Amino acid sequence: AQSVTQLGSHVSVSEGALVLLRCNYSSSVPPYLFWYVQYPNQGLQLLLKYTSAATLVKGINGFEAEFKKSETSFHLTKPSAHMSDAAEYFCAVTRSGSARQLTFGSGTQLTVLP
Amino acid sequence: SQTIHQWPATLVQPVGSPLSLECTVEGTSNPNLYWYRQAAGRGLQLLFYSVGIGQISSEVPQNLSASRPQDRQFILSSKKLLLSDSGFYLCAWHSGRPRDTQYFGPGTRLTVL
Repeated sequence: AQSVTQLGSHVSVSEGALVLLRCNYSSSVPPYLFWYVQYPNQGLQLLLKYTSAATLVKGINGFEAEFKKSETSFHLTKPSAHMSDAAEYFCAVTRSGSARQLTFGSGTQLTVLP
Repeated sequence: SQTIHQWPATLVQPVGSPLSLECTVEGTSNPNLYWYRQAAGRGLQLLFYSVGIGQISSEVPQNLSASRPQDRQFILSSKKLLLSDSGFYLCAWHSGRPRDTQYFGPGTRLTVL
């Protein structure tokens, strides 16, 4: 069965500092992996996705993530945090080789301090 | 381009009252559709998904039901709301290949008092 673990339900960084949000997955089939962002009282917005092409995936708003099969990880990073990055971030893995069914992590709330 | 709508945006209902939340998708045909719920401080829970008109799969037993009367319309209902039904309800659709991605609507905030 597929599962996702997001380490750290809350992460705080200073404005301009590196953002690192952790995601580890478990999958019995080659996974597709997604990062979504949710701003307060809004739906989820796709940040980026990994679909077995390049292991380093670039997304919107300066975010990127690296797929590391040996570590079963797909951590999200951004070199310099901006106040507007404050939001909740969800990692998701496909259940059966297609995004028709996704398993989501429990989310990481990112706070950006001035 | 495709867009997904949900209404109402917010809803406050008394315990025991009925519920109807609506989701519609534009710009695509025969999409897979999904209802998720976010309870306070918790992640996303898949409630229902539909692969076509009248085809509903339930992920967890609960006080809610779903229907898909038209290709691009997905409705979440309840006959009698419980306090535990409070949460943020999200509708999503699947784009199919090659994008193979789920896209989410703006959500409905439901408060049951």
